[in-house]
Amino acid sequence: DAGVIQSPRHEVTEMGQEVTLRCKPISGHDYLFWYRQTMMRGLELLIYFNNNVPIDDSGMPEDRFSAKMPNASFSTLKIQPSEPRDSAVYFCASRLAGVVTGELFFGEGSRLTVL
Amino acid sequence: GQSLEQPSEVTAVEGAIVQINCTYQTSGFYGLSWYQQHDGGAPTFLSYNALDGLEETGRFSSFLSRSDSYGYLLLQELQMKDSASYFCAVRSSTDSWGKLQFGAGTQVVVTP
Repeated sequence: DAGVIQSPRHEVTEMGQEVTLRCKPISGHDYLFWYRQTMMRGLELLIYFNNNVPIDDSGMPEDRFSAKMPNASFSTLKIQPSEPRDSAVYFCASRLAGVVTGELFFGEGSRLTVL
Repeated sequence: GQSLEQPSEVTAVEGAIVQINCTYQTSGFYGLSWYQQHDGGAPTFLSYNALDGLEETGRFSSFLSRSDSYGYLLLQELQMKDSASYFCAVRSSTDSWGKLQFGAGTQVVVTP
């Protein structure tokens, strides 16, 4: 079975531009998470969905960030306008409800550089 | 608030044993997880402890003491491929099932 798929793997853009990151979770998984990883702040949870519904977006840094999950197999994280401080690796992860361990399956990440 | 503390770096030689400690403070607690991340890679799940005691999975073991708000990951018979960052993560009662808070990570460096 394919794992969590993210695109693009690398994105370099200029300040002020819109950035859209994409994620396809593992088929059948009913939770989807967006994390951001930086050296300074580590792994931060931005938002997560359960059955396509946003449950907690308290980690979204500001209104420039938005996330959607129009269906069970696709999610986007959008930054508009982007700023240099948004440079980070953005991970998408999914999991299956009811699994005792709560194991998260991460994608390979999207490395964003904002110049 | 919630916090997790783990050492920033540990260095050891091949074949040695390394213990990575994690102390946590949460408003509630369901379980402690450990994840491994190689440079440039994705975090991958290693273990989960909900109850006190030791869980063993091959060369890796994880321990939890709920009364001490403390856990550790034990890496035995270290191999070069074990060089990676290791994160502890807690699931607390203020969060639903899937929301994990991660520690800052411990960089394990294995030398020949």
